[in-house]
Amino acid sequence: QKEVEQNSGPLSVPEGAIASLNCTYSDRVSQSFFWYRQYSGKSPELIMSIYSNGDKEDGRFTAQLNKASQYVSLLIRDSQPSDSATYLCAVNMRGSNYKLTFGKGTLLTVNP
Amino acid sequence: DTGVSQNPRHKITKRGQNVTFRCDPISEHNRLYWYRQTLGQGPEFLTYFQNEAQLEKSRLLSDRFSAERPKGSFSTLEIQRTEQGDSAMYLCASSLKLAGDIQYFGAGTRLSVL
Repeated sequence: QKEVEQNSGPLSVPEGAIASLNCTYSDRVSQSFFWYRQYSGKSPELIMSIYSNGDKEDGRFTAQLNKASQYVSLLIRDSQPSDSATYLCAVNMRGSNYKLTFGKGTLLTVNP
Repeated sequence: DTGVSQNPRHKITKRGQNVTFRCDPISEHNRLYWYRQTLGQGPEFLTYFQNEAQLEKSRLLSDRFSAERPKGSFSTLEIQRTEQGDSAMYLCASSLKLAGDIQYFGAGTRLSVL
């Protein structure tokens, strides 16, 4: 079983819609969770972090964490074409020296 | 620019040659990580430094790979006797000791082994 799993997509949404990106992880006592955005050929850019169950909102982005279900998601409201990128879910697992374990990423395309 | 800096941005080499990459972390960050990313995959952890001490190495890091951070500032990653399978993006990230999981990535070095 892969440690961090994401649907590779592509996920296609129209401009102005809500994009929903999902991630599951295998280590029940994982401590912190991150969403990175990666444009083609560029490096990952941190957009959200979440540490406790529930929702965390930052502008158009909302991260949701459910530790019981080992599930973390990212919602992007009012999606814009500039949001088109690969979104990487990353998890800091127990006793890991803070190294991050990444999923393969979900490619999001926002159509004008 | 106060972000993580990596050089070179691109490296093309022939199989069997040695290559070295450099990473300059954000100045006050004492934790430094190297990751490798291949097409269609997320970054994979290679190694981690706290100050000058290399505290963890992935099993992905074969004996052809070596990393240093001699004065706790910049770091180098060397690959000896490169193989075509080493072709990837090599990413460096840094973080503060007290927020080690909040990592900021450099632009990466893209290695192509011919």
